[in-house]
Amino acid sequence: KQEVTQIPAALSVPEGENLVLNCSFTDSAIYNLQWFRQDPGKGLTSLLLIQSSQREQTSGRLNASLDKSSGRSTLYIAASQPGDSATYLCAVKIDSNYQLIWGAGTKLIIKP
Amino acid sequence: DVKVTQSSRYLVKRTGEKVFLECVQDMDHENMFWYRQDPGLGLRLIYFSYDVKMKEKGDIPEGYSVSREKKERFSLILESASTNQTSMYLCASSSQGAGASPLHFGNGTRLTVT
Repeated sequence: KQEVTQIPAALSVPEGENLVLNCSFTDSAIYNLQWFRQDPGKGLTSLLLIQSSQREQTSGRLNASLDKSSGRSTLYIAASQPGDSATYLCAVKIDSNYQLIWGAGTKLIIKP
Repeated sequence: DVKVTQSSRYLVKRTGEKVFLECVQDMDHENMFWYRQDPGLGLRLIYFSYDVKMKEKGDIPEGYSVSREKKERFSLILESASTNQTSMYLCASSSQGAGASPLHFGNGTRLTVT
């Protein structure tokens, strides 16, 4: 059974630092992996989607990598800003159905 | 930009009431989803629909039903609300299977059942 883990559950860093968020999954047979951010009391915003054939995706200051063999994805945030403070979730698609398997998220706080 | 609109941000209902949560998307997406999000339990899929009048159960369909009469609208129905259905409800849509293209979420409805 596929399980998705995000460690740590919370992270606090000073503004301006580069940082890495982690997402681990137990079964390497995935279709793709998505990263989302969620602001308090709001819905989720899709950040990046990496297909299983890809190694990374970039959007602005965000870069997501995927290593299926090790069951790991990272979300790299460059030059962090207070506006990056949010909860970041990853989710994997494991087969042809519509289900996603979700991580519990990492709550990120960027201190001014 | 894709817009997914949930009709209510906050809702307070009494036990036993029939509750309708509405969701509309403006991008002609085939697929729509209803999730609930609870602290410590994460996101759990209630129902999804891959076409008009089509629906599939997710992980926790008990106590819920759905309706999709038009492509842009997906309604979640709590037949007889109970206190354990107090939660944040999130609607989402995508143009293909849930992971083949990005999932777009609404802002959520915080439902309290008293």
